[in-house]
Amino acid sequence: VELVESGGGLVERGGSLRLSCAASGFTFGDYGMHWVRLAPGKGPEWVSSISSTSSHTYYSDAVRGRFTVSRDNAEESLELQMNGLRDDDTAVYYCARGGLGAFGVVFPPEHWGQGALVTVSS
Amino acid sequence: QSILTQPPSASGTPGQRVVISCSGYMSNIGVNPVNWYQVVPGTAPKVLISYNDKRPSGVPDRFSGSKSGTSASLAISGLQAEDEGNYYCASWDDRMSGVVFGGGTNLTVL
Repeated sequence: VELVESGGGLVERGGSLRLSCAASGFTFGDYGMHWVRLAPGKGPEWVSSISSTSSHTYYSDAVRGRFTVSRDNAEESLELQMNGLRDDDTAVYYCARGGLGAFGVVFPPEHWGQGALVTVSS
Repeated sequence: QSILTQPPSASGTPGQRVVISCSGYMSNIGVNPVNWYQVVPGTAPKVLISYNDKRPSGVPDRFSGSKSGTSASLAISGLQAEDEGNYYCASWDDRMSGVVFGGGTNLTVL
């Protein structure tokens, strides 16, 4: 299982950024997927999840209305569109695999990528 | 304040057995699986236990997990200096429709 994030960087407050996660080593379309972030000095914070067929998406209160999760099973990729970025969005963002099947999102992250650093500057 | 409650700190001497608890609710631990992670600053969380009590390949058998009702536990036997760090539990919460993490337990090896 390999998950590789890309798209992180420095962005101004209020700006936008799109993270991507390339998956390999497993049948991507069979699994629920998560985005989790780690801010400096803090514990893991769940950001968003998407079911295996994209039929259901879920967001934390902190990002709902600003972030959009999507996936392309044919391309085996996961995306996170981040708009209206705020200072407290600064963190390393991880793409992570959940569980197998239609309800795979109910399984907490098991395999993680190496992370993409997002820094929001004021 | 985290939905899953962990003790903020734990400690033990080399060779000892330490247990870290994670208390939740019916909407999360009560009906959904629990994972445990070790988090080292600057690196991705490492999964120690998945699906309540399954140890991924490569994780020493000194680590074990269990779940009963709305609580879960991570036990570390034969404590080693390298076990120092922060440990987190996580589960899906059906009421908030998202993954919830515990507040973390900082383990010190004396």
